[in-house]
Amino acid sequence: DTGVSQDPRHKITKRGQNVTFRCDPISEHNRLYWYRQTLGQGPEFLTYFQNEAQLEKSRLLSDRFSAERPKGSFSTLEIQRTEQGDSAMYLCASSLGRERVDTQYFGPGTRLTVL
Amino acid sequence: AQSVAQPEDQVNVAEGNPLTVKCTYSVSGNPYLFWYVQYPNRGLQFLLKYITGDNLVKGSYGFEAEFNKSQTSFHLKKPSALVSDSALYFCAVRDLLTGGGNKLTFGTGTQLKVEL
Repeated sequence: DTGVSQDPRHKITKRGQNVTFRCDPISEHNRLYWYRQTLGQGPEFLTYFQNEAQLEKSRLLSDRFSAERPKGSFSTLEIQRTEQGDSAMYLCASSLGRERVDTQYFGPGTRLTVL
Repeated sequence: AQSVAQPEDQVNVAEGNPLTVKCTYSVSGNPYLFWYVQYPNRGLQFLLKYITGDNLVKGSYGFEAEFNKSQTSFHLKKPSALVSDSALYFCAVRDLLTGGGNKLTFGTGTQLKVEL
């Protein structure tokens, strides 16, 4: 399978714990995106990388959230001191970065439940 | 700010009948519009996009979408629905980001149910 992969698929944690998610984009895709999706809503943009540079962050991304893409390949999203409101599906997407209007390809998501 | 609206939470259609899932948009500048489909516990799958040109865009799995500038709409259509088309459908509009990236702003989704 050469699509976007995410790990883990499910994460259950207690409030106050830290969690880290990983995203492996499609090979050669230089743009990578993180979105968050809550029940009954469409995905909401969190942040965007072009290669290893984080170029945009949403106001939704509080100080407890940090994302990295150290070598321009895989990316991690860390949430510190989780809160119940962080419970959501976290989606990663990648795009090639060569079209004027790129197509984003999404991974299966990581479902986070904060107890 | 760019936005899309999906006025129907759910659409029911009989297998073999044509289907339409509605989307209207609000943008400043040129509209770049997308449709994605989401199956349970899966990520979003790209169906099609409108950038410019022909108002009828053809996409994956027999879907197409009609861009209408005067009505600011981008409705998803399929001539003959299949039970396997039952899923959650999202319309999205693109915002240009620093470095050329694309932020997608999604609608709230429309649940399509195709019955025998």
